[in-house]
Amino acid sequence: NAGVTQTPKFQVLKTGQSMTLQCAQDMNHEYMSWYRQDPGMGLRLIHYSVGAGITDQGEVPNGYNVSRSTTEDFPLRLLSAAPSQTSVYFCASSFFQGYMIETQYFGPGTRLLVL
Amino acid sequence: AQSVSQHNHHVILSEAASLELGCNYSYGGTVNLFWYVQYPGQHLQLLLKYFSGDPLVKGIKGFEAEFIKSKFSFNLRKPSVQWSDTAEYFCAVIVSYNTDKLIFGTGTRLQVFP
Repeated sequence: NAGVTQTPKFQVLKTGQSMTLQCAQDMNHEYMSWYRQDPGMGLRLIHYSVGAGITDQGEVPNGYNVSRSTTEDFPLRLLSAAPSQTSVYFCASSFFQGYMIETQYFGPGTRLLVL
Repeated sequence: AQSVSQHNHHVILSEAASLELGCNYSYGGTVNLFWYVQYPGQHLQLLLKYFSGDPLVKGIKGFEAEFIKSKFSFNLRKPSVQWSDTAEYFCAVIVSYNTDKLIFGTGTRLQVFP
C-alpha cells in the first residue's frame, strides 16, 4: 500500500496563477482532508470530504476549491494564487469509528511558494 | 469555538531528561484526543490516541499521555528522551458535536541535545 500520496512535492507559482495539488489514497478511506501548515499556527483545515461527492469547508477555505469524484482522489485547487498561500499543504485520509473520524493518515506534503 | 492550546512552543532538553508537553482543550463534552509527531523532513504520524477507557494511554517509542477530564488536559510524557525524539509535536481533538473536524494545536518544537 502506498498510503496517501501527494504531488507535486514542491511548486513555485506567480501571483494570480492557478494550480491543482493532487492527493490520492489507496486505503479505501471515506474521509479525506486538506490542511495547511504555517509556522506558529499548527495545521489548519482547508476543506474536507466524508465521501465521494460530498465536500465541506474547514477553517480556512477562501481561495481554495475541492472536489471528490472518487473515493481515492481529493484534489485541491488554488484558483488565483496569492503570496498568503505560501505554505506546506498536507492531505490526510481516515475512516469513521461510529460517528467520529479515527486516526488520520497524512501524505508527505506539498511545499508551495507564491511569488 | 473549540480550541486546543499547547503552551510550550519550543522545548530544549538534554538526552535522558524527562519530558512533559502540555495540551489543553476548550470543550466540555465527549472528545477524542490525539498526539501526532512530525520528525524533520517527514510527514505527520500518530503517536497515541485516547477515545475512551483507561485515561493513561501508551503510544509508540515510550511516549504516554494522560487524559484528565476535570482539567481538560491531555499532556504528553516520556521519562527519558533521546536525540531521535527531536521533532514537532501536535495535540489534536475531535469534539462530539463536530465529528468531521480534527482541531490541531499550534505545535511544540522539541530539540534534544546529546
